[in-house]
Amino acid sequence: AQTVTQSQPEMSVQEAETVTLSCTYDTSESDYYLFWYKQPPSRQMILVIRQEAYKQQNATENRFSVNFQKAAKSFSLKISDSQLGDAAMYFCAYISDGFGNEKLTFGTGTRLTIIP
Amino acid sequence: GAGVSQSPSNKVTEKGKDVELRCDPISGHTALYWYRQSLGQGLEFLIYFQGNSAPDKSGLPSDRFSAERTGGSVSTLTIQRTQQEDSAVYLCASSLAYQSTDTQYFGPGTRLTVL
Repeated sequence: AQTVTQSQPEMSVQEAETVTLSCTYDTSESDYYLFWYKQPPSRQMILVIRQEAYKQQNATENRFSVNFQKAAKSFSLKISDSQLGDAAMYFCAYISDGFGNEKLTFGTGTRLTIIP
Repeated sequence: GAGVSQSPSNKVTEKGKDVELRCDPISGHTALYWYRQSLGQGLEFLIYFQGNSAPDKSGLPSDRFSAERTGGSVSTLTIQRTQQEDSAVYLCASSLAYQSTDTQYFGPGTRLTVL
């Protein structure tokens, strides 16, 4: 079974600085997708960024980028120019490719605090 | 367009009572998923629907949990004879189709508290 591990329960960063959230996963499959979701106090899970395992290029979305290391099974999220609105729980998630692989497997999350 | 909606937003119930949680997916999304988020935990997959059918119910924690989806749209998660360990946030998500390449979009969840 696949597992996702987030070893940092809490992180903090000064506003406008850069922070990196760590995620590792365990799988025997070669085709899969990885995600970072943000959950603010409103509880709504918001997709931040997505990475296809077959792509070597790291995904980027504005201030958010990932460092995807397939061999090491590592998928970290870098937030540049941190803003107060970035404060939230961040969850790393995994899903296998193909039909019949419908469920996301989540890590336990990292609570990010932005210091003004 | 409108996102995934869930109701109620919060539900407080007494141990032993039945509760129904509702999810209204994004219009046109054929796949619907239920997850449970217990305090301090990640999300635990419960069940998914492709159209009105639920091919895999193995994620449901016990036979007190059931879910249905009618008309390929709204879904209801029912918990019978609630227990305190059922207290959690129940999140619903939908995706365009039933395949891993389609991103799952989440609703705001229902926070269930069992006294």
